[in-house]
Amino acid sequence: KQEVTQIPAALSVPEGENLVLNCSFTDSAIYNLQWFRQDPGKGLTSLLLIQSSQREQTSGRLNASLDKSSGRSTLYIAASQPGDSATYLCAVLPSGTYKYIFGTGTRLKVLA
Amino acid sequence: EADIYQTPRYLVIGTGKKITLECSQTMGHDKMYWYQQDPGMELHLIHYSYGVNSTEKGDLSSESTVSRIRTEHFPLTLESARPSHTSQYLCASSGVTTAGELFFGEGSRLTVL
Repeated sequence: KQEVTQIPAALSVPEGENLVLNCSFTDSAIYNLQWFRQDPGKGLTSLLLIQSSQREQTSGRLNASLDKSSGRSTLYIAASQPGDSATYLCAVLPSGTYKYIFGTGTRLKVLA
Repeated sequence: EADIYQTPRYLVIGTGKKITLECSQTMGHDKMYWYQQDPGMELHLIHYSYGVNSTEKGDLSSESTVSRIRTEHFPLTLESARPSHTSQYLCASSGVTTAGELFFGEGSRLTVL
């Protein structure tokens, strides 16, 4: 059974720091992996989608990598800003299914 | 920007009332999902659909029901709301037109008194 884990559960950093959020999954048979951002009381906003054949994706200050063989993905945020404060979730889509498996998220606080 | 819409955004009702949460998407997605999320907690899949006239229960048991008679529309209904139904309900969709990317609506926050 696929399980997705995100470490750390919470993180506080000063503004301007580069930071890495981690996502681990137990079964490498995945179709894709997606990173989301969620602000309090809101829906999830898609940040980056990595297909199983890809190693990384970039959007602005965000870079996500995928290593299927080790069951790991990282989300790198460069030059963090207070506006980056939110909960970040990763989700995998296991091969042969259309039911996404979500991690429990990392709550990020960027201090001004 | 995702073209998936949920109404109402906020709803406060009394116990025993029937409610329908609406979800529509304009991306031509065949797959649609309903998740339930309490504040600060993880997402739980309660219903999903792979296409018209296809609906399945999710991993978390729910007293709600869904229907999918049009591709773009996936409403969720509670026949008799109870305080235990108080939660945020999130609708999502995905499909080949967007390479399998999952998109979410803004959510419907339900409070049952």
